[in-house]
Amino acid sequence: DAKTTQPPSMDCAEGRAANLPCNHSTISGNEYVYWYRQIHSQGPQYIIHGLKNNETNEMASLIITEDRKSSTLILPHATLRDTAVYYCIVRVLYNTDKLIFGTGTRLQVFP
Amino acid sequence: GAVVSQHPSRVICKSGTSVKIECRSLDFQATTMFWYRQFPKKSLMLMATSNEGSKATYEQGVEKDKFLINHASLTLSTLTVTSAHPEDSSFYICSARSNANTEAFFGQGTRLTVV
Repeated sequence: DAKTTQPPSMDCAEGRAANLPCNHSTISGNEYVYWYRQIHSQGPQYIIHGLKNNETNEMASLIITEDRKSSTLILPHATLRDTAVYYCIVRVLYNTDKLIFGTGTRLQVFP
Repeated sequence: GAVVSQHPSRVICKSGTSVKIECRSLDFQATTMFWYRQFPKKSLMLMATSNEGSKATYEQGVEKDKFLINHASLTLSTLTVTSAHPEDSSFYICSARSNANTEAFFGQGTRLTVV
């Protein structure tokens, strides 16, 4: 299974863009990059996913490098409610299609 | 997004008793459901994967006789913690996905405390 590496924690000022990096240097050609977040004592929330093209939705943008060895999740205007642990996950494309969580990045948005 | 509901959200039980946690997909058919466990300040650890109508596949180190998983319908999976002990106290989270999309949606979690 391809593993991911994320910084353990980051801070971001409210209203500024939060850029969360993720390294996945062993990703294989048919594996997707997924991002989830978990607010304290809640279940994870899906944010976005991509294969090789950059993706954008109402929550965030996902920038994947051309070699696909790393990606960045961008929250364009962070709010206090974006304080959470953000998980970058490489989707394992086997029969069970399971998501394996790493340690994630704890993002603290401050006023 | 799709809705996955867990019940109960919190449960306290005595050592030696069994506890059942339900996971329901409310607006889609979940062909696959996953059960995770999360200890304080730790990441989610996958316990098992279940496909509707089949036996669950357990991750290495997870006792299948202690954590009974049933996925009898396309909208319901249950996790039963049998003969619970204080070390089983944890946050249990389910997720579900269908073949129609590629995201997995998560329940809100169940906080189990064994006293």
